[in-house]
Amino acid sequence: SQTIHQWPATLVQPVGSPLSLECTVEGTSNPNLYWYRQAAGRGLQLLFYSVGIGQISSEVPQNLSASRPQDRQFILSSKKLLLSDSGFYLCAWRETGRRTEAFFGQGTRLTVV
Amino acid sequence: SQQGEEDPQALSIQEGENATMNCSYKTSINNLQWYRQNSGRGLVHLILIRSNEREKHSGRLRVTLDTSKKSSSLLITASRAADTASYFCATDAPGGSEKLVFGKGTKLTVNP
Repeated sequence: SQTIHQWPATLVQPVGSPLSLECTVEGTSNPNLYWYRQAAGRGLQLLFYSVGIGQISSEVPQNLSASRPQDRQFILSSKKLLLSDSGFYLCAWRETGRRTEAFFGQGTRLTVV
Repeated sequence: SQQGEEDPQALSIQEGENATMNCSYKTSINNLQWYRQNSGRGLVHLILIRSNEREKHSGRLRVTLDTSKKSSSLLITASRAADTASYFCATDAPGGSEKLVFGKGTKLTVNP
């Protein structure tokens, strides 16, 4: 069966520090991968999605970047965090081309201080 | 943007009552999905309804879709305290994009 791993679960980082959040999927090949951010009590904002290795679509220009170095690995990064980067970050995957349900990781709570 | 917009933003009901949440979207869709999120957790898929379907059932869930009004509703019947969560609709972008966009959600509280 397929599983998705996202870590860390919580993170407190100072302003100006770098960020790396990792997401990996097991049990499937060539998944579509997604990064979302959720502000407190708000909806999900799509940040990036990827349909293949090295293929990244950016939805919102901001202080973040994403990379997909391997088929089932999706990384969210920042060189210098801002206070406004605080939030709940969610990784998700779904099967390529079928437009069916997405499966989510458990999320990372990032607090920039 | 084809982002869905749910209403109400928050809904508080008593156990045993029915809960209805609505979702409106802006562009044509291939399908519409509903998800549930418990506080501080990832989202869990509930149900998918295709653009050529008008109604779908899954257990205590009933989803309707009206493509002429670009709207969908999620009905939870005989609610339970364990149904307390936020509920989101999601739509795919038209054409070949794999982008999946979510609405702002409805926060449902079911009081015992």
